[in-house]
Amino acid sequence: KAGVTQTPRYLIKTRGQQVTLSCSPISGHRSVSWYQQTPGQGLQFLFEYFSETQRNKGNFPGRFSGRQFSNSRSEMNVSTLELGDSALYLCASSAGTGGEKLFFGSGTQLSVL
Amino acid sequence: AQRVTQPEKLLSVFKGAPVELKCNYSYSGSPELFWYVQYSRQRLQLLLRHISRESIKGFTADLNKGETSFHLKKPFAQEEDSAMYYCALKVRAAGNKLTFGGGTRVLVKP
Repeated sequence: KAGVTQTPRYLIKTRGQQVTLSCSPISGHRSVSWYQQTPGQGLQFLFEYFSETQRNKGNFPGRFSGRQFSNSRSEMNVSTLELGDSALYLCASSAGTGGEKLFFGSGTQLSVL
Repeated sequence: AQRVTQPEKLLSVFKGAPVELKCNYSYSGSPELFWYVQYSRQRLQLLLRHISRESIKGFTADLNKGETSFHLKKPFAQEEDSAMYYCALKVRAAGNKLTFGGGTRVLVKP
């Protein structure tokens, strides 16, 4: 099976712009979670989608949003980018039934200038 | 709110020596605990979870609810164990929301 695929691999944006990141889960997986990784804050949970519905949400401002499509692919969007949004954004997929193993993608490195 | 603490940012040991990575958590309920590992230029991947009570690559971890700890241990470290290790906590019935510790970098010297 192909692993979790995240695109693009790198992004450079300027403050005030918006950005959309994409995640394709492993075939058959219905849960997609997003995490932000920074040197200062470490790995922080953004949100999780299961069967096109947001199942969990972390403590991030409303500028961070996401969605999941019927084929389980997911996108996350960040509007009005700030310098502090520079981070590695990781996507993870799982079957979604609870307690199972998460499979992580390689991430999208976002730099906000 | 739950919290996971990994007090050591860096652990340097010699090959063949024991290694122990500390993980402490704060959560009033019954959590699920995991260890994830990231080898150089590879993706973050699950190493082990407490409910499985298994040994993976020689590593074991025991959940101590009294001390709220989930330390990772290996009796004889190998050079290929050099990596970044993250302890993570999941609240039951909370989907796949993981709370991660800050991570410990392990360097195994020859």
